[in-house]
Amino acid sequence: AQSVAQPEDQVNVAEGNPLTVKCTYSVSGNPYLFWYVQYPNRGLQFLLKYITGDNLVKGSYGFEAEFNKSQTSFHLKKPSALVSDSALYFCAVRDPILTGGGNKLTFGTGTQLKVEL
Amino acid sequence: SQTIHQWPATLVQPVGSPLSLECTVEGTSNPNLYWYRQAAGRGLQLLFYSVGIGQISSEVPQNLSASRPQDRQFILSSKKLLLSDSGFYLCAWSYRQDNSPLHFGNGTRLTVT
Repeated sequence: AQSVAQPEDQVNVAEGNPLTVKCTYSVSGNPYLFWYVQYPNRGLQFLLKYITGDNLVKGSYGFEAEFNKSQTSFHLKKPSALVSDSALYFCAVRDPILTGGGNKLTFGTGTQLKVEL
Repeated sequence: SQTIHQWPATLVQPVGSPLSLECTVEGTSNPNLYWYRQAAGRGLQLLFYSVGIGQISSEVPQNLSASRPQDRQFILSSKKLLLSDSGFYLCAWSYRQDNSPLHFGNGTRLTVT
């Protein structure tokens, strides 16, 4: 089975400060990990993914994420937050050991990021 | 480039009425297709996925069904809506490769009254 947890319902940060949105996962093998962002009444937008290789993954809009196998974490980060980054962020995982089933992703419950002036 | 279209954007339907939501993908062939529902909170629940025409897998037993009559068309249906069917429905596609991310449409907000 595959699962992912986002322990924070909401994260507040001042504009210009660094931000971190936390994610931990559970899979049988080596995970495929993804981050998405959702603005109100819109679909989810893909930000970045980790498949293999370098533990620091860079994505869209200046976001990056760090894969940590020993802590089973994949935290989303940005060095300097913008007010326009305020949105709902989802972490997702796929266990490539699972056969069949298309490329089903299991999503976390989301973290609301609020960036204030 | 690939695009995904989902319609309608909003829909208000009475209990007991039928439902048909449509999703089409452009710019790619043989995609995997998915229907997710997002409840009022946040959680995303996978309802159906399809790896090919006429091939539908259901993830949860429910009042809904899905069909894939063409390679890039995915339809979500119900014969009789329930109040509990209200939610935000999201269609998504991915390439066949298992490391491919999902790409989502803009969703349909369904309110059953």
